[in-house]
Amino acid sequence: DSGVTQTPKHLITATGQRVTLRCSPRSGDLSVYWYQQSLDQGLQFLIQYYNGEERAKGNILERFSAQQFPDLHSELNLSSLELGDSALYFCASSPRGGAYGYTFGSGTRLTVV
Amino acid sequence: AQKITQTQPGMFVQEKEAVTLDCTYDTSDPSYGLFWYKQPSSGEMIFLIYQGSYDQQNATEGRYSLNFQKARKSANLVISASQLGDSAMYFCAMREGGSQGNLIFGKGTKLSVKP
Repeated sequence: DSGVTQTPKHLITATGQRVTLRCSPRSGDLSVYWYQQSLDQGLQFLIQYYNGEERAKGNILERFSAQQFPDLHSELNLSSLELGDSALYFCASSPRGGAYGYTFGSGTRLTVV
Repeated sequence: AQKITQTQPGMFVQEKEAVTLDCTYDTSDPSYGLFWYKQPSSGEMIFLIYQGSYDQQNATEGRYSLNFQKARKSANLVISASQLGDSAMYFCAMREGGSQGNLIFGKGTKLSVKP
């Protein structure tokens, strides 16, 4: 157990639907990062939150949004889902103060049918 | 331009032998960090080793060492005494822009260890 908890582990949904992926960071970590891993695009950075505030944005589609709550857990919302959104979605966390560790959760495997 | 390049899509190594996985990077930021992660078939991302741009010595973690050649912008992972359990995807990643920056990943190398 890495200390980063992602739920659910698997999700199967239909095109056009909306889903929410949840991430609880390691205790004490203030930064949360979301990544998408697909066969054709590899591991792509989506978005980062630090202590509740959006810190950086990567290749995140407008149909996707995220937030980090006061208890530091984060949610990634994916809407109007398309077949191409099928991927493994990872959440990672890192501690305050710049220590080098990025701990990944076990991922949520999303399948859009 | 790619920031992280892993030129070996797949590699084979005999059990108990050493193997080097290549990684080159591109950045103009003087402060950066380099990481290697292992992803077994089960899918989780396992942190292996880290090298900071100002670190004078090559990083080592057990059987893993990072051959850091700053002038050549390379950060190759060396795995000594390969084990069957080392069969996995290996990703090189770079962090720019300070300690809370996001990671940029290479496309990975699939390592297969032969008995």
